[in-house]
Amino acid sequence: ETGVTQTPRHLVMGMTNKKSLKCEQHLGHNAMYWYKQSAKKPLELMFVYNFKEQTENNSVPSRFSPECPNSSHLFLHLHTLQPEDSALYLCASSQAVEGPYNEQFFGPGTRLTVL
Amino acid sequence: GQNIDQPTEMTATEGAIVQINCTYQTSGFNGLFWYQQHAGEAPTFLSYNVLDGLEEKGRFSSFLSRSKGYSYLLLKELQMKDSASYLCAVMDSNYQLIWGAGTKLIIKP
Repeated sequence: ETGVTQTPRHLVMGMTNKKSLKCEQHLGHNAMYWYKQSAKKPLELMFVYNFKEQTENNSVPSRFSPECPNSSHLFLHLHTLQPEDSALYLCASSQAVEGPYNEQFFGPGTRLTVL
Repeated sequence: GQNIDQPTEMTATEGAIVQINCTYQTSGFNGLFWYQQHAGEAPTFLSYNVLDGLEEKGRFSSFLSRSKGYSYLLLKELQMKDSASYLCAVMDSNYQLIWGAGTKLIIKP
């Protein structure tokens, strides 16, 4: 257990569905992240939140919509996804966004399949 | 552009030693991380290097040479549970982590 939980662990959805991924951290951290992990590719940073404020949006398509109501919770709302969006979506948290030795703690991920 | 290179896959024998290399080219440097990721699980932190040299932590050691843009993770006395992917990541000048694609390590009896 890393102190970061994600639900659901697995999700299958059609291209016209709307779904949400949830992440919660119990570590008292101030920064939260969404990553996309595809097979044999580097982790792709999608969004960064620092004290509930979005600080990074790495050119992510608008069909992915993040929400951070407080420093402990992070959501990723999904709509009209494409099959190429199938991947493992990882949530992470860290004490801060900036500063050295900023270890990130990861959740187990949501395995998303888009049909 | 920024780039992290590490081998795609390596195989080693239980009880042996294996070295996983990582080379990087990034905009600035604020440290290098190694993470372990078992299949279907979260990546977990193994080590952090920001100064040149070797950091030892039990059976695992990590080495950094900033002038060469090079690091390695050394795993000794390999156990079957060490079968996993090992991810190298560099923190750039903006404190953003740049990730390698990971090295899948297969341990054989």
